[in-house]
Amino acid sequence: EAGVAQSPRYKIIEKRQSVAFWCNPISGHATLYWYQQILGQGPKLLIQFQNNGVVDDSQLPKDRFSAERLKGVDSTLKIQPAKLEDSAVYLCASSPRGRWYSPLHFGNGTRLTVT
Amino acid sequence: AQRVTQPEKLLSVFKGAPVELKCNYSYSGSPELFWYVQYSRQRLQLLLRHISRESIKGFTADLNKGETSFHLKKPFAQEEDSAMYYCALANAGGTSYGKLTFGQGTILTVHP
Repeated sequence: EAGVAQSPRYKIIEKRQSVAFWCNPISGHATLYWYQQILGQGPKLLIQFQNNGVVDDSQLPKDRFSAERLKGVDSTLKIQPAKLEDSAVYLCASSPRGRWYSPLHFGNGTRLTVT
Repeated sequence: AQRVTQPEKLLSVFKGAPVELKCNYSYSGSPELFWYVQYSRQRLQLLLRHISRESIKGFTADLNKGETSFHLKKPFAQEEDSAMYYCALANAGGTSYGKLTFGQGTILTVHP
């Protein structure tokens, strides 16, 4: 099966600019996750979708971050305006059913550098 | 609140030596534990999960609820085991929808 696809792989922007990341999960996977991984830390969940509905966005900085999953397939994560501390790798993951026993399948990530 | 602690950021061993990557967790509910691995230039992937009681690539992990630990062990390390290892916790109760809390990771280097 094709894996989780993310684009772009790298992005460099200046602070206060906006940026968007795209994710295409594995076909048929109902649950989609966006994780933020700051250098030296483990991934931190930003938002979780079940089909096209949000089930957890408790750690999403909603004043600047937004995400959507139209039609329950692809997803876009946006940052506007970006801050220096947003520099991180943004990982998208998907799982078939979103249950605790379902393994997550990760994409390669997008490395964001904010200058 | 869920919390996962991996006390060692770096771990170096020689090929053929035993290796143990430590993981401690805090969670008041029903935890389910996982180990994820990221090899150089590859994506993060599942290594093993407690519920499966399996050995993957010679690695095993035992859940010790008394000590709230889920250490990853391998009796004889190989060079190809060099990678970043993450311990992760999920809530096995309710409708958690698979949310994982990750530790900070341990970089394992196996020297020839």
